[in-house]
Amino acid sequence: RKEVEQDPGPFNVPEGATVAFNCTYSNSASQSFFWYRQDCRKEPKLLMSVYSSGNEDGRFTAQLNRASQYISLLIRDSKLSDSATYLCVVNIRTGGFKTIFGAGTRLFVKA
Amino acid sequence: NAGVTQTPKFQVLKTGQSMTLQCAQDMNHNSMYWYRQDPGMGLRLIYYSASEGTTDKGEVPNGYNVSRLNKREFSLRLESAAPSQTSVYFCASSVSAGSQPQHFGDGTRLSIL
Repeated sequence: RKEVEQDPGPFNVPEGATVAFNCTYSNSASQSFFWYRQDCRKEPKLLMSVYSSGNEDGRFTAQLNRASQYISLLIRDSKLSDSATYLCVVNIRTGGFKTIFGAGTRLFVKA
Repeated sequence: NAGVTQTPKFQVLKTGQSMTLQCAQDMNHNSMYWYRQDPGMGLRLIYYSASEGTTDKGEVPNGYNVSRLNKREFSLRLESAAPSQTSVYFCASSVSAGSQPQHFGDGTRLSIL
């Protein structure tokens, strides 16, 4: 089982739709959580950190459920420019630390 | 605002050749990382440096060496390149290791023939 698993993609949605991504992690020592976006042939860029209380940044909402070990990302009112791959990232404290990236979920937003 | 700068951006090598990928950050970050990204797989950590003067293995360190030259610079060396090392390599940095988000360079596309 992968340490971080994401929804299989791709997701194809029309402009204006609401889309949700889920990510599960297996290591209970996971300490911090992030969502990144990656455009084709570009570097990953931080979208938002994920806090236990949930957090919102404009059209984007991230939530963390420690008991069930999953995080989610909700995108409201999708724009064409939201088309990208969304990466779930988990930092695990294990003496040292490990950063584990999910394989990503591809999103296509169509006019 | 340069952020994280990687050189070169593209490189083609023959099997057995060696080369060093360079990375520098100007954000005064303590921690730096090297990843590789292959199709259908997430980024995998090769090596990281939690602070100047320290380096540690990540998930896939075999075939690579690193040097944390100073606080700004972290290089990745392939001593004897193999076709399995064909990949996109990303360098990243963060304020500290383990809890802070990482900021990435724009990658080096490496092909080994």
